[in-house]
Amino acid sequence: GQQVMQIPQYQHVQEGEDFTTYCNSSTTLSNIQWYKQRPGGHPVFLIQLVKSGEVKKQKRLTFQFGEAKKNSSLHITATQTTDVGTYFCAGKGGSNYKLTFGKGTLLTVNP
Amino acid sequence: GAGVSQSPSNKVTEKGKDVELRCDPISGHTALYWYRQSLGQGLEFLIYFQGNSAPDKSGLPSDRFSAERTGGSVSTLTIQRTQQEDSAVYLCASSLVGVANNQPQHFGDGTRLSIL
Repeated sequence: GQQVMQIPQYQHVQEGEDFTTYCNSSTTLSNIQWYKQRPGGHPVFLIQLVKSGEVKKQKRLTFQFGEAKKNSSLHITATQTTDVGTYFCAGKGGSNYKLTFGKGTLLTVNP
Repeated sequence: GAGVSQSPSNKVTEKGKDVELRCDPISGHTALYWYRQSLGQGLEFLIYFQGNSAPDKSGLPSDRFSAERTGGSVSTLTIQRTQQEDSAVYLCASSLVGVANNQPQHFGDGTRLSIL
């Protein structure tokens, strides 16, 4: 079955440093979504990428979808303490109606 | 408007008992999903509803797990003869239409289930 792997599992940074999490799928994806889960909270939708090579930005967050539509990344510039949480990618295969979530990357930020 | 509502927020029960978890999706959302999240882990897909039917039950861990949805709205997840490994946070999500249409999923706060 479809597998979505995310690395790293954990990342601790100093406030102001950059952060990147990577997502890789075993199969080609029709789309990929990113979610953020604050400690004690529930996942909240951030963004969706659909096109090959697509890049989207939300303030300090940059999301990329690979040319082959099998990988994606989320980059945060100049992290802040409000960025703390677990970032999940979730992908859907072309003929699959199930969204498969990665295990997430837990980001902690030292002020 | 109201988001996805789940109840109870916490449930502690003894091993072997049955539990019922409830999810009230966002009004008008036709798709509903159940996930399980163990401590520090990702989201494990359990079941997906489109309307009242469940095209994908492939994630249910065993025949002790069942779910239903009535009136295209509220869903209940039932776990019979609970085991300690069932302890987790059970998250419900809904979306306007199904996954095939690339809609974002809106999550509830979850039910934290603890089996003693």
